[in-house]
Amino acid sequence: AQSVAQPEDQVNVAEGNPLTVKCTYSVSGNPYLFWYVQYPNRGLQFLLKYITGDNLVKGSYGFEAEFNKSQTSFHLKKPSALVSDSALYFCAVRDSLRGSYIPTFGRGTSLIVHP
Amino acid sequence: GAVVSQHPSWVICKSGTSVKIECRSLDFQATTMFWYRQFPKQSLMLMATSNEGSKATYEQGVEKDKFLINHASLTLSTLTVTSAHPEDSSFYICSARDYTGRGSSGANVLTFGAGSRLTVL
Repeated sequence: AQSVAQPEDQVNVAEGNPLTVKCTYSVSGNPYLFWYVQYPNRGLQFLLKYITGDNLVKGSYGFEAEFNKSQTSFHLKKPSALVSDSALYFCAVRDSLRGSYIPTFGRGTSLIVHP
Repeated sequence: GAVVSQHPSWVICKSGTSVKIECRSLDFQATTMFWYRQFPKQSLMLMATSNEGSKATYEQGVEKDKFLINHASLTLSTLTVTSAHPEDSSFYICSARDYTGRGSSGANVLTFGAGSRLTVL
């Protein structure tokens, strides 16, 4: 089975400060990991993914995430937060061994960046 | 890149009526599309997998007679909420995967529609 956990419902950060949104996962095989962002009343937008290769993945809008196999984590980070980064962030995982290609989504973390 | 269009964005209907939501892949063919439901401040709940030319695969607990899915072409899937009731009010989102991987995100990434907000009075 595959599962993903986002332990924080909400993350608050001041503009200009670094931000981290946490994600841990569980899969049988190797993980395919994804981060998506959702703005109010909109669908999800792809930010970045880890399939293989470098553990540090860089994505859209200055976001990056680090794959840590030993800690089964894929935390989303940004060195300097913007107010416009305020949104709902979803981590997703898919097991590379599974025949199904349907990812499992976390419950989402609301990021609030204060001016 | 891969684009998914979803229509309508907003719909308000009376209880007992049926509502159809369309999901189109604009620049790629999608043999499979996915329908999600999202409650306020909650995660996505996968409702069903829509397969072109065959029956949809519904997740456990989702009423197939209530949520009719049709995937008649490689670029269009529709979700019809039949005899809608206020408890069906929700945000419905479709997604698809470009298996060719031509999009900038690659073949493993789902592309989502903008969502449809259904309000049943």
